[in-house]
Amino acid sequence: DGGITQSPKYLFRKEGQNVTLSCEQNLNHDAMYWYRQDPGQGLRLIYYSQIVNDFQKGDIAEGYSVSREKKESFPLTVTSAQKNPTAFYLCASKESSYNEQFFGPGTRLTVL
Amino acid sequence: AQSVTQPDIHITVSEGASLELRCNYSYGATPYLFWYVQSPGQGLQLLLKYFSGDTLVQGIKGFEAEFKRSQSSFNLRKPSVHWSDAAEYFCAVDDRGSTLGRLYFGRGTQLTVWP
Repeated sequence: DGGITQSPKYLFRKEGQNVTLSCEQNLNHDAMYWYRQDPGQGLRLIYYSQIVNDFQKGDIAEGYSVSREKKESFPLTVTSAQKNPTAFYLCASKESSYNEQFFGPGTRLTVL
Repeated sequence: AQSVTQPDIHITVSEGASLELRCNYSYGATPYLFWYVQSPGQGLQLLLKYFSGDTLVQGIKGFEAEFKRSQSSFNLRKPSVHWSDAAEYFCAVDDRGSTLGRLYFGRGTQLTVWP
């Protein structure tokens, strides 16, 4: 089955630690996205990538980093510089020629 | 920048009642429009989308939405709500101005269904 997988489902981080959230897709989509979701705030774009080895900052990129070494993978690192990282993180992808994004199941990150 | 407004944070309806969720957007031309649904702790699922053509679009689970250019609106409707429709609903706009086709989301409407 084609789809987007995110791991882990739940992640706990101590203050000062960097953590990496995984996002993998087997849809052969060119573009991939990372969103952060907080209650009552909708989805906010962190980073996005249209092709391998290229990515752009979204609206709230501070304290986050990404890489796109393979078409199917777009991991997100939450660094210690992110002051309030507790949130639900969603990864998405889409074919560049269409405009429908497909979403993964999400990772809930909690800072202890 | 584009903006999407969902004026209702929370709506409660009885099972079997009709439903309308409102969405207004700010954009200079006709954007691509989407409605997504999210169950607690889950990802987003696409309900329906509008790119062009007929302004009344049908989606999954019995939902439909109507694009009204004059009102910059894309309201979601369902004639008879089922208890399983309880979820959070997001309206989204693709600005078509970017080759990346980024989405702008509203803040969501939480739907509660009474039995």
